[in-house]
Amino acid sequence: EAGVTQFPSHSVIEKGQTVTLRCDPISGHDNLYWYRRVMGKEIKFLLHFVKESKQDESGMPNNRFLAERTGGTYSTLKVQPAELEDSGVYFCASSLTGNYGYTFGSGTRLTVV
Amino acid sequence: GENVEQHPSTLSVQEGDSAVIKCTYSDSASNYFPWYKQELGKGPQLIIDIRSNVGEKKDQRIAVTLNKTAKHFSLHITETQPEDSAVYFCASGEATSGTYKYIFGTGTRLKVLA
Repeated sequence: EAGVTQFPSHSVIEKGQTVTLRCDPISGHDNLYWYRRVMGKEIKFLLHFVKESKQDESGMPNNRFLAERTGGTYSTLKVQPAELEDSGVYFCASSLTGNYGYTFGSGTRLTVV
Repeated sequence: GENVEQHPSTLSVQEGDSAVIKCTYSDSASNYFPWYKQELGKGPQLIIDIRSNVGEKKDQRIAVTLNKTAKHFSLHITETQPEDSAVYFCASGEATSGTYKYIFGTGTRLKVLA
């Protein structure tokens, strides 16, 4: 089975620009999560989708971040406008309902300059 | 806010020796404790987990122990091999139906020296 796919793998943008990250979960996984790791710190929760609905978005830093999961399949995370502190590695993960463990993607390394 | 402290941040061991990584959590409601291994260029991969009704779990060369009273849990790797070199993350969470949000530690970079 294909794993969780994220792209791009790397993105370098200037402050003030917009970037959209994409995540394709494992087929059939209703749960989709976004996490972020900033500069060697902990991996922090951003939000959780169940199918197309946002179950928990308590970790979203501010309204410059917008996540969508239209149709309950792939998800996008848009940052607009990007700030320097948004730099980090953004991970997507998915799981089946009832499964505690996640399958993570390889992440998108975002650098805002 | 709730957090997970993880130590050490880096750990170097000789091949064949044991490695121990320790974590402390703050949320008393936590009942699920997974460990993830992240190899270079890849995402974190679940390697072992433990639930709060169990004190120890073992899978071949890796084991996890949990002390709920002290809010401590640890990862033990025996007979380390070069392929064990990676960054390891502990995490904790309250895994109830429909909610699987975890708090991760800051990671431990393990180097196994051949």
